[in-house]
Amino acid sequence: QSALTQPPSASGSPGQSVTISCTGTSSDVGGYNYVSWYQQHPGKAPKLMIYEVNKRPSGVPDRFSGSRSGNTASLTVSGLQAEDESDYYCSSYAGNKNLFGGGTKLTVL
Amino acid sequence: EVQLLESGGGFVQPGGSLRLSCAASGFTFASYAVCWVRQAPGKGLEWVSSISGSGGNTYYADSVKGRFTISRDNSKSTLFLQMNSLRAEDTAVYYCAKGSHGNYAYWGQGTLVTVSS
Repeated sequence: QSALTQPPSASGSPGQSVTISCTGTSSDVGGYNYVSWYQQHPGKAPKLMIYEVNKRPSGVPDRFSGSRSGNTASLTVSGLQAEDESDYYCSSYAGNKNLFGGGTKLTVL
Repeated sequence: EVQLLESGGGFVQPGGSLRLSCAASGFTFASYAVCWVRQAPGKGLEWVSSISGSGGNTYYADSVKGRFTISRDNSKSTLFLQMNSLRAEDTAVYYCAKGSHGNYAYWGQGTLVTVSS
């Protein structure tokens, strides 16, 4: 059982928007401004897509956005494209340790 | 260009030991925290351990505390993970990553550790 809870799957058609949730507690997601999101294609290393809740690293399309409400963080992918099909993991700092969610497989229909 | 290159993975029997290395380049290694993250076959990511830039502060997941030791040699820009008392559930691809507080912008390609009799 992962420390952060994500839905195992999500899907959307090209051009649509999809949101992936990540639920933790006040000791992690809700307690620190250190929530990150990673994209991972099969056989590849994870790629940072969002950090510190809603910041995008250079080179990440602005179609990807992050937010948080209470103990739940969210990743929204707007204008879905075929190359967005991947596994997505949330991560949260939790005071001298780091937690990951179980991952969400995003399918572009 | 930031590069992280892991090595040292392999096949080991339960109860055995293994030492992973991660050679870093393209940045001032001593100025940054680095960590190990693993991924069991077909499973999700699991943070294993982190170490501060100076090496003075180390942190571990409960699942490896007391068995794994993280260290670094800043003169050689290299990160290490000494893994003892290995168990089948430690089987995973081990990645090193640069960053702290879950903000890992750079990752290595990973090295596979298989624990089996």
